[in-house]
Amino acid sequence: AQSVTQLGSHVSVSEGALVLLRCNYSSSVPPYLFWYVQYPNQGLQLLLKYTSAATLVKGINGFEAEFKKSETSFHLTKPSAHMSDAAEYFCAVSYGGSQGNLIFGKGTKLSVKP
Amino acid sequence: DAMVIQNPRYQVTQFGKPVTLSCSQTLNHNVMYWYQQKSSQAPKLLFHYYDKDFNNEADTPDNFQSRRPNTSFCFLDIRSPGLGDAAMYLCATRGGGQGGNQPQHFGDGTRLSIL
Repeated sequence: AQSVTQLGSHVSVSEGALVLLRCNYSSSVPPYLFWYVQYPNQGLQLLLKYTSAATLVKGINGFEAEFKKSETSFHLTKPSAHMSDAAEYFCAVSYGGSQGNLIFGKGTKLSVKP
Repeated sequence: DAMVIQNPRYQVTQFGKPVTLSCSQTLNHNVMYWYQQKSSQAPKLLFHYYDKDFNNEADTPDNFQSRRPNTSFCFLDIRSPGLGDAAMYLCATRGGGQGGNQPQHFGDGTRLSIL
């Protein structure tokens, strides 16, 4: 069965430091890939998506992600963390079809230290 | 702004007392999803509608039902809530017809507590 692995359930960085959140998928067929962010007591907000166009995808809030087929990865990065980036981040994949269901990773909680 | 709206944001019910959560959308999307999310976990898909076609996940308890009277509204009914049903319930929509390349748009969720 297809799956999504997010390495590190909790990542802590200092304000201004690089943010790197890892995501790997298990499939020989490249899926559609998404990163979502969830702030406390809110729903999921789309950060960015990869749908077979450019492999480097820019999203909102200064985040970007690079699709690497050879590594089956779609890691999320931001050059300089802000306190407001503290949240839960979910990587998700879809393999198309009429339902377009998402397969989620378990999430990574990002903490930002002042 | 077009959006997905869930009401209420917080719902408290008694053990065994039926409860209904609602979701509305102004995006005119044909697919609507209901997820259950427990603390520090990923959302778990309960079921979804593709237009009027209902699709139940195999492991969704019979206690959970859904209705979609029209494109804009979708309801989640929990017939006899147990303590294990306390969670955040998220509604999401997706447009674009066939294919999974369009993202899902989420509401802010309803947090359900069981007394």
